[in-house]
Amino acid sequence: DAGITQSPRYKITETGRQVTLMCHQTWSHSYMFWYRQDLGHGLRLIYYSAAADITDKGEVPDGYVVSRSKTENFPLTLESATRSQTSVYFCASSEYSQPQHFGDGTRLSIL
Amino acid sequence: ELKVEQNPLFLSMQEGKNYTIYCNYSTTSDRLYWYRQDPGKSLESLFVLLSNGAVKQEGRLMASLDTKARLSTLHITAAVHDLSATYFCAASNNAGNMLTFGGGTRLMVKP
Repeated sequence: DAGITQSPRYKITETGRQVTLMCHQTWSHSYMFWYRQDLGHGLRLIYYSAAADITDKGEVPDGYVVSRSKTENFPLTLESATRSQTSVYFCASSEYSQPQHFGDGTRLSIL
Repeated sequence: ELKVEQNPLFLSMQEGKNYTIYCNYSTTSDRLYWYRQDPGKSLESLFVLLSNGAVKQEGRLMASLDTKARLSTLHITAAVHDLSATYFCAASNNAGNMLTFGGGTRLMVKP
C-alpha cells in the first residue's frame, strides 16, 4: 500500500550515542519534512527537503543531520543524542501546496 | 517570522453542544490547514483553506478563514464523543510548503 513509514516506532538510547530515524514514502512526493512533538510546543520543524539532494533547516535544526539521496527516503540522524532530544518525531511528505501526510511517529527516549 | 496561536489549549464540552476553536497567525500566509490527532497516533488532514472567506465543512466540523484578520476558526456543531482528539491548525509560509503549527487544542467531549 502507498504510504509513509517510519522506523523504528520506539527507541531508547543513551546520551552521546548516534541514532538514526528512518522515513520512507511511496507516493514519490517531492517534499519531505521532519518534526518533533513536545508537550507545550506543538510540532516544530527540524529539517525539510524539496527534492533529492536538497535539504534545508527548519525551526530547530541544532543537533540533527539529514540526507536525501533518494526521493523516497529521508533519514534523520542525531549525531550525539542529548536528553533534550527525547521527543516524538514525525516524518511527513507532500507535493507542493498540498496537505502534508504524516507517518505514525517514532517515540525516542534518551537516558 | 510566522507564528501561530490557538485557543483554547484545552476544551471540555458536553455532547450536543457547539463550540469554536480559534487560530491566529502573525503574518501573511497563503493557506491554512487543520489537522486532527488522536492520542498516540499520527496527524490526519481535515481541511485546507486557500482564500479569504473560504469555508469547508465535513460532518460536524466547519472551518473558515479570514485572511484580513489572520484568523481561522474550527466550529464544532452538536459535539459527539468521537470528536475527542487534539486539533492543530497550521499556516504555510508564502513559499507554500513549510508549515508552522499552533500549539493544539485538546478537545474532550463528555457524554
